Amino acid sequence: DTAVSQTPKYLVTQMGNDKSIKCEQNLGHDTMYWYKQDSKKFLKIMFSYNNKELIINETVPNRFSPKSPDKAHLNLHINSLELGDSAVYFCASSQLHRGTDTQYFGPGTRLTVL
Amino acid sequence: AQKVTQAQTEISVVEKEDVTLDCVYETRDTTYYLFWYKQPPSGELVFLIRRNSFDEQNEISGRYSWNFQKSTSSFNFTITASQVVDSAVYFCALENNNAGNMLTFGGGTRLMVKP
Repeated sequence: DTAVSQTPKYLVTQMGNDKSIKCEQNLGHDTMYWYKQDSKKFLKIMFSYNNKELIINETVPNRFSPKSPDKAHLNLHINSLELGDSAVYFCASSQLHRGTDTQYFGPGTRLTVL
Repeated sequence: AQKVTQAQTEISVVEKEDVTLDCVYETRDTTYYLFWYKQPPSGELVFLIRRNSFDEQNEISGRYSWNFQKSTSSFNFTITASQVVDSAVYFCALENNNAGNMLTFGGGTRLMVKP
């Protein structure tokens, strides 16, 4: 009965590879997000989708491409991985109405690029 | 532009001590929301509290309490009688409804509670 789930939990890959991280939420929320947490624990928004439409894109390189097949899923595909992409990626979801829009986070995916 | 500052990068206390984690924010919006999240050593982000900018009442939940002072743009978090299980990184965050509800996080405060 996990609310926000991500797969895989750990991802180790070589520079230049392409990889995907999947996120699913069963909370019935209409908005999903991707955040990046760097090695110093700093958390920054990457993308946000509302009802499958992109609403936030925070100057992320176009090697990162989010895809939302439906409201319950927001996957993150990364092309040509670089060393600097190593981080923990968190997916989150919320219901985009004032008064109820707390973001709930998935367990995170630790990506290591060698 | 929005900004959240957690000036204390690391705090160490002995069990049963009270500890306050500071959070100062900057925003031009009149309506906004403030949050605290806990990140234990296991790595997940756990929601603790959400506060509306119009509601300056302090809140208490068990050993946790929050002090929201709009006049000083602060939203401080106090843990009373700290326990070892409170050891974690705590993040303060600001949400702007005009920017797709994105959260702007502070840099986090690592709390270490020693037995």
